[in-house]
Amino acid sequence: KQEVTQIPAALSVPEGENLVLNCSFTDSAIYNLQWFRQDPGKGLTSLLLIQSSQREQTSGRLNASLDKSSGRSTLYIAASQPGDSATYLCAVPGGDYKLSFGAGTTVTVRA
Amino acid sequence: ETGVTQSPTHLIKTRGQQVTLRCSSQSGHNTVSWYQQALGQGPQFIFQYYREEENGRGNFPPRFSGLQFPNYSSELNVNALELDDSALYLCASSFHRGPARDTQYFGPGTRLTVL
Repeated sequence: KQEVTQIPAALSVPEGENLVLNCSFTDSAIYNLQWFRQDPGKGLTSLLLIQSSQREQTSGRLNASLDKSSGRSTLYIAASQPGDSATYLCAVPGGDYKLSFGAGTTVTVRA
Repeated sequence: ETGVTQSPTHLIKTRGQQVTLRCSSQSGHNTVSWYQQALGQGPQFIFQYYREEENGRGNFPPRFSGLQFPNYSSELNVNALELDDSALYLCASSFHRGPARDTQYFGPGTRLTVL
């Protein structure tokens, strides 16, 4: 059974600081890993999807790395802004049909 | 291109009642998955529908049931509501069944409160 863990559960940083969010998973036989953003009470917005053959994926200020062998992924957000305040979730396929999610890291960027 | 939509946005029910939540998949997508997200937790997989048939199910009791229609929209039905059913219900669609092959696109969710 795939277990996904995200540390820390919450993070508060001043504006402009770089953010580092961690995700670990127990079964390294994954096809891909996806990072999502969730604003309070809202749905999930896909940020990045990394295929198992990739080491990293970049989109603007976001960069996600994947180390399958150690069961880890890291999401980097450069030069954080107050608008980056949200909960960030990582997810991996937990079988043929479903995504297995971590509980998320709630980020607060202070102006 | 229309994204995933869900209705209603919010719903309040009492214990023992029944509820139906609705989801319209993104244009061109034939697979719909439903997730339950309790406060402070990650989403938990309920089930998936592919071309109108249930394609996989998570650890949820039979009182959670669903349908998918020919236009690939979907319904989630929950009977005999319990207090623990209070959660955000998320719908996700994709072109290929199974998240191993395709990005999942999520709707805005339906917040269900059971009193």
